[in-house]
Amino acid sequence: DTEVTQTPKHLVMGMTNKKSLKCEQHMGHRAMYWYKQKAKKPPELMFVYSYEKLSINESVPSRFSPECPNSSLLNLHLHALQPEDSALYLCASSPFLWTGESLETQYFGPGTRLLVL
Amino acid sequence: KQEVTQIPAALSVPEGENLVLNCSFTDSAIYNLQWFRQDPGKGLTSLLLIQSSQREQTSGRLNASLDKSSGRSTLYIAASQPGDSATYLCAVRPRNAGNMLTFGGGTRLMVKP
Repeated sequence: DTEVTQTPKHLVMGMTNKKSLKCEQHMGHRAMYWYKQKAKKPPELMFVYSYEKLSINESVPSRFSPECPNSSLLNLHLHALQPEDSALYLCASSPFLWTGESLETQYFGPGTRLLVL
Repeated sequence: KQEVTQIPAALSVPEGENLVLNCSFTDSAIYNLQWFRQDPGKGLTSLLLIQSSQREQTSGRLNASLDKSSGRSTLYIAASQPGDSATYLCAVRPRNAGNMLTFGGGTRLMVKP
């Protein structure tokens, strides 16, 4: 299994709602990533988990709360979002966060399209 | 800090043309460089990955080259088809950043029938 899956594919939420995005991989990867991508822009890194611990937080507002309950699963909990948070949210995984192996890279999921009304 | 630039930002060509997309990066200390394809509202599909010790990689009608010393990569698409219409993203994996990726801004390609 060489896939990263993300659910849901689409999500519409109001500014007072609480929702969660889910990402799963069964490749045995120990690093997982959340990205936010606005239209016509490259992905922007939000969070990185390594061995289920948060390693990097790119100064993301607290209305985004990541969680890594086990080595295969990564969640992004959303609360009190703003319309400007509407974007494509991408999850990725890699064998490790820190490695000198030149063939290694990140594997991306299909994304969740989020619309905040 | 590594910076990645892609030129042009958008490109429109008639079907059948051979075309070249450009990517430049500021720091040659990289593990690899990767070209991704992204369809609107979709995830990233890896097209080609070139390790720092390699000069090029080929897959079907796609050929990617890497000149690490000059900080440049090109993606050559032969005999373009309307189905090639997408955004193409270049990303480098810097040597001082583990498995982190630095992305270029992308080139939006439209191939007209």
